[in-house]
Amino acid sequence: AAGVIQSPRHLIKEKRETATLKCYPIPRHDTVYWYQQGPGQDPQFLISFYEKMQSDKGSIPDRFSAQQFSDYHSELNMSSLELGDSALYFCASRLSPRGIQYFGAGTRLSVL
Amino acid sequence: DQQVKQNSPSLSVQEGRISILNCDYTNSMFDYFLWYKKYPAEGPTFLISISSIKDKNEDGRFTVFLNKSAKHLSLHIVPSQPGDSAVYFCAASEAGNTPLVFGKGTRLSVIA
Repeated sequence: AAGVIQSPRHLIKEKRETATLKCYPIPRHDTVYWYQQGPGQDPQFLISFYEKMQSDKGSIPDRFSAQQFSDYHSELNMSSLELGDSALYFCASRLSPRGIQYFGAGTRLSVL
Repeated sequence: DQQVKQNSPSLSVQEGRISILNCDYTNSMFDYFLWYKKYPAEGPTFLISISSIKDKNEDGRFTVFLNKSAKHLSLHIVPSQPGDSAVYFCAASEAGNTPLVFGKGTRLSVIA
């Protein structure tokens, strides 16, 4: 069965650079969620989209933005990267209203 | 303020015995609870879930119990196997298309 695909798996950036993370949800899933997991931390919700519209917003910095496209894939854009942005970024998708959230393998972002 | 709490950072169990992982929550609006298993460098993998209208859900070796009055849930794994060694996250959500709130995880080690 198709799973949530995230790319790239690993990303190394310098401070103040920009990064774009991509997420391809499970086919027919209409909701995408982004989470950030710092070292030794639990995943923290950033932002979600339902049917290409932003549905919920969590602790996402103003330097980050995201969108969901017509093919339901989503991109998380991160600008003016800081050392503290180094983390695992997970995308999850679900079929609303009561589907399980299924997670991708994550993108490990390292900011040097 | 941690709305979902897993107070045991780690747990060691002998192969064949029962593993019991605990989770407490504070938000009375949560109505759906999930357990995810996570290996290093992978995304969280859905294990089992329970709706607030139930007090038990079973799937093979995995059983989740929910005590709403105590705001407590637990995951039982019987019998435990070495392949169960991973970090287990408890997660909860409110009704609707809402994001998950995670606990900090419990690292389970099953010793052969």
